[in-house]
Amino acid sequence: LAKTTQPISMDSYEGQEVNITCSHNNIATNDYITWYQQFPSQGPRFIIQGYKTKVTNEVASLFIPADRKSSTLSLPRVSLSDTAVYYCLVGEAGGFKTIFGAGTRLFVKA
Amino acid sequence: EAGVAQSPRYKIIEKRQSVAFWCNPISGHATLYWYQQILGQGPKLLIQFQNNGVVDDSQLPKDRFSAERLKGVDSTLKIQPAKLEDSAVYLCASSLALSYNEQFFGPGTRLTVL
Repeated sequence: LAKTTQPISMDSYEGQEVNITCSHNNIATNDYITWYQQFPSQGPRFIIQGYKTKVTNEVASLFIPADRKSSTLSLPRVSLSDTAVYYCLVGEAGGFKTIFGAGTRLFVKA
Repeated sequence: EAGVAQSPRYKIIEKRQSVAFWCNPISGHATLYWYQQILGQGPKLLIQFQNNGVVDDSQLPKDRFSAERLKGVDSTLKIQPAKLEDSAVYLCASSLALSYNEQFFGPGTRLTVL
């Protein structure tokens, strides 16, 4: 299973775009990249998943370069309510294990 | 649609006591997961079920933890006897199928072992 590395924490201001990068140097051919968001006292919530290039949904965008050794979660125009921990996961579709790292604590300031 | 339900939300016990947590996944979800999340860390997978069969329990401390999913719907996680280091939030999640796609998490049970 590919190990992921993320920054421990990030600060931002309301209205800014936030980019959180995740490194996964030993990602396997069949691995997908998934991001979850977790607020205090809640379970994680799925944000986005991708395999290559770019994926966009109503919440975020996920950029994956051609070598797939890293990925960037982009949150457009963050608000105070985006303050949370963001987890990057790498794993195979149909795989049997889910490994969460320590995540990135994003703090959005007014 | 109803989310993943867990109970109780909070539990305080003394070490060496027993405790059980209950999880009701989203209707129709075949895969169920139990995670342990220690304060300041990411969730750690304890056990994964596909219907009523265990897919992965490699990180479950089997000397004290047990889990079952009879009838392939509800699940219970038990700790017997509890240790101080078991203090954590226990999260239950479910997904439609055994694939690396979206998992839906419940609110968790916060366990404090004194």
